Amino acid sequence: DAGVIQSPRHEVTEMGQEVTLRCKPISGHNSLFWYRQTMMRGLELLIYFNNNVPIDDSGMPEDRFSAKMPNASFSTLKIQPSEPRDSAVYFCASSSREPNYGYTFGSGTRLTVV
Amino acid sequence: AQSVTQLGSHVSVSEGALVLLRCNYSSSVPPYLFWYVQYPNQGLQLLLKYTTGATLVKGINGFEAEFKKSETSFHLTKPSAHMSDAAEYFCAGHLSGGYNKLIFGAGTRLAVHP
Repeated sequence: DAGVIQSPRHEVTEMGQEVTLRCKPISGHNSLFWYRQTMMRGLELLIYFNNNVPIDDSGMPEDRFSAKMPNASFSTLKIQPSEPRDSAVYFCASSSREPNYGYTFGSGTRLTVV
Repeated sequence: AQSVTQLGSHVSVSEGALVLLRCNYSSSVPPYLFWYVQYPNQGLQLLLKYTTGATLVKGINGFEAEFKKSETSFHLTKPSAHMSDAAEYFCAGHLSGGYNKLIFGAGTRLAVHP
């Protein structure tokens, strides 16, 4: 099993540009989570999906952020327009239906907005 | 409110010394509890978990944790620290029914010095 796959690993973009982060969850997992990690705020849950349906997006900081999960094997997190304060490491995690399974995290995307 | 609290954002130990990282939870139902480790520039990986059964749980790299319902705790220990244990450790819990959403603690950064 290849695990949770995120791309790109690193992204440097200019302020105002659109950024799209991608995630491929583990096959068979039905829940997907997007997190943001910064030194100041730690690990923050942005949004999570269950069976491709967004369940809770209360952690999405602003309307500039949007996330989609068009099918069970792919999700995107988009920031448009990007700002320097969006610089962070963004993690995707997936989990099976059972709550005792825990999450499997991807390696993250380090985003730098200049 | 249901929560996971990690006491001490930074812990420093000498190589060979006991490691003790503290985690307490607040839950209205029997919880599932997890410890994750994050090495620099990597994603979070599962260290160990408690679901049901034996309250002393063993994980990877010599770590173990004990679920104590009376103390609502799930502290992580390792008898002898190694330099390679330096990382950030997150306690997390599935504290309520419904979707398998984990609540994470704020993390504890472990430093190991010679």
